[in-house]
Amino acid sequence: EPEVTQTPSHQVTQMGQEVILRCVPISNHLYFYWYRQILGQKVEFLVSFYNNEISEKSEIFDDQFSVERPDGSNFTLKIRSTKLEDSAMYFCASSEGGQWGELFFGEGSRLTVL
Amino acid sequence: GNSVTQMEGPVTLSEEAFLTINCTYTATGYPSLFWYVQYPGEGLQLLLKATKADDKGSNKGFEATYRKETTSFHLEKGSVQVSDSAVYFCALPISGSARQLTFGSGTQLTVLP
Repeated sequence: EPEVTQTPSHQVTQMGQEVILRCVPISNHLYFYWYRQILGQKVEFLVSFYNNEISEKSEIFDDQFSVERPDGSNFTLKIRSTKLEDSAMYFCASSEGGQWGELFFGEGSRLTVL
Repeated sequence: GNSVTQMEGPVTLSEEAFLTINCTYTATGYPSLFWYVQYPGEGLQLLLKATKADDKGSNKGFEATYRKETTSFHLEKGSVQVSDSAVYFCALPISGSARQLTFGSGTQLTVLP
C-alpha cells in the first residue's frame, strides 16, 4: 500500500541552526501538507502546497519556515533558525485532491532543539 | 473559527469492553467530521468520517454519528481488541478550508488482554 515517508525520524539540533525535514508523498497525490504536534498539545496545521506553491498557511508558518518541492518526489520543510519552541513532532501529509479528500500522514519527524 | 474538544485520556480497557471517546465541536455551518487513529510507530490514519448531519461513519467496528443537536461526534466500539490500542484524534476542517484540519488533543487507548 502506498505510504508517505518522512526522514529523519528524529533530529537533534542546536538553537539557531537550520533544519530540513524531508517527505516523500504518495506519488499520484496533488496536495501536500505539514502539520506539527508539540509534546502534550494538539496537532496543528502549518501549511498546504499545491501546484508548486503554498495554497494555505497558518499563523505559525512565519518567515522562519519555508517549503519546497525540489523534484518530482520530495517535499521539504525548512526551518531557517530554530528556536527552542520549534521542538515538536512534524507530520507530512498528502491527498489526491477534492474537497473532502483523505489526508495520508507520514510517521512524523521528531525535532528536538537544544 | 472551528474547533474540537476531545475527551482527555488515557483510557485503559479490558479486551471486549465497550469504548466511548467523546468529541464535541464548535463550527460555522456543518463541516465534515473525522476520526483519525495513530498506531504506535505509524502516522495518523483516517479511521472514519461523516460529511453531513445525522450521518454515521463506520470502519473496523468503530462508529461515530454526526449529531448537530448536541454538536458531538463520539467514537464508539462495542468490543475492543488489544490491536485497537492507539491514539485517537477527532478533527474537523478549519473555517473555510476542507484541507486545513484542526485536531483534538488525542486520546490514548490501551486495551489489556
